[in-house]
Amino acid sequence: DAGVTQSPTHLIKTRGQQVTLRCSPKSGHDTVSWYQQALGQGPQFIFQYYEEEERQRGNFPDRFSGHQFPNYSSELNVNALLLGDSALYLCASSLARGTGRNSNQPQHFGDGTRLSIL
Amino acid sequence: LAKTTQPISMDSYEGQEVNITCSHNNIATNDYITWYQQFPSQGPRFIIQGYKTKVTNEVASLFIPADRKSSTLSLPRVSLSDTAVYYCLVGDRGGFKTIFGAGTRLFVKA
Repeated sequence: DAGVTQSPTHLIKTRGQQVTLRCSPKSGHDTVSWYQQALGQGPQFIFQYYEEEERQRGNFPDRFSGHQFPNYSSELNVNALLLGDSALYLCASSLARGTGRNSNQPQHFGDGTRLSIL
Repeated sequence: LAKTTQPISMDSYEGQEVNITCSHNNIATNDYITWYQQFPSQGPRFIIQGYKTKVTNEVASLFIPADRKSSTLSLPRVSLSDTAVYYCLVGDRGGFKTIFGAGTRLFVKA
């Protein structure tokens, strides 16, 4: 049973460029959340996708956008990259359908994409 | 949203029991308490989740007092490989309105 997979594992970009990160959720999961984790800090919630729609967003600018596909996989796009966007980007999946929107299902995380901005 | 407070770091030795306490004074009635473990350059891994009293699984125990304003993660007989950051979360509904704090950095020494 495959867990959450993310690609690429590492990426180097320069300021002003755009980047797309990809995530495949754990088999059977329908909800994907994205997090940004700066060095030495806890993960910060970016947004969550369910049924191909963004259903909640954290305190991140519109440069951060996402998408969820019918197979539940997801992409995170970041435009106009800044030096401060350098971080580990984590994807987590969970199951919402059939368990209720407010279920206490724990999340399953991938090992992230390490994004470095030069 | 309930905020959590944990010690920034803890040291221990191999074979000892480690207890990490988390404060969550504003926990809501329907909030569960969830603990994650994170190693460097990896994503967090679910350890244990509970609502009240005591929960035990193959890797840890979670103690929750009656007022639920705090919880304690207990790791029995830690090894060097338990060196990691441990996060306490309240109300983790599959990522919906999830807030991670800074976590507790546990260092296990030989």
